[in-house]
Amino acid sequence: DAGITQSPRHKVTETGTPVTLRCHQTENHRYMYWYRQDPGHGLRLIHYSYGVKDTDKGEVSDGYSVSRSKTEDFLLTLESATSSQTSVYFCAISEDSKISTDTQYFGPGTRLTVL
Amino acid sequence: DAKTTQPPSMDCAEGRAANLPCNHSTISGNEYVYWYRQIHSQGPQYIIHGLKNNETNEMASLIITEDRKSSTLILPHATLRDTAVYYCIVRAQGAQKLVFGQGTRLTINP
Repeated sequence: DAGITQSPRHKVTETGTPVTLRCHQTENHRYMYWYRQDPGHGLRLIHYSYGVKDTDKGEVSDGYSVSRSKTEDFLLTLESATSSQTSVYFCAISEDSKISTDTQYFGPGTRLTVL
Repeated sequence: DAKTTQPPSMDCAEGRAANLPCNHSTISGNEYVYWYRQIHSQGPQYIIHGLKNNETNEMASLIITEDRKSSTLILPHATLRDTAVYYCIVRAQGAQKLVFGQGTRLTINP
């Protein structure tokens, strides 16, 4: 399994509070991704990073921000959590999305509940 | 990305081969077929991918039809631990996101 850890694994918070999720990798891969998974929607890309300090939006980026100050860490921040952001969040990594053998490997997930 | 169609559920007996079909009739020439699976509450796990040739690795085989409009994932000797949701994904080289559909819920029965 790819060396990916996510923290925390479970979190319960209240509406309006800020929340930061962390993804840490030991593979030195260039690309990192944040997805969310909700019933009936599959996994949807929130943000991704293609290098230190290089990030871009995915399809459901509203209400989320990201930061990547080191190759190994990719942080997802909910500035003011809402109940619609209750979900399971998965981090993924890949070496280089431009080559044919590129594959995304996923972390164990963080279950976030916003009350 | 091209859309994929998979049966919502399948059953297979332990020890038998599990054959999971996927239809991707609108696939483009630069799009690859990827298979992932997700065991309950875990992160998606990469299985295999291919462009047009059949592929095999330690987990599974991928058979892609000559016209590339469909493919089959084969788990040669299914075990109870293969019970999971299997996702067939079509992705262009260089595309950032993986588009997960509803997948096939495969149940391996003892």
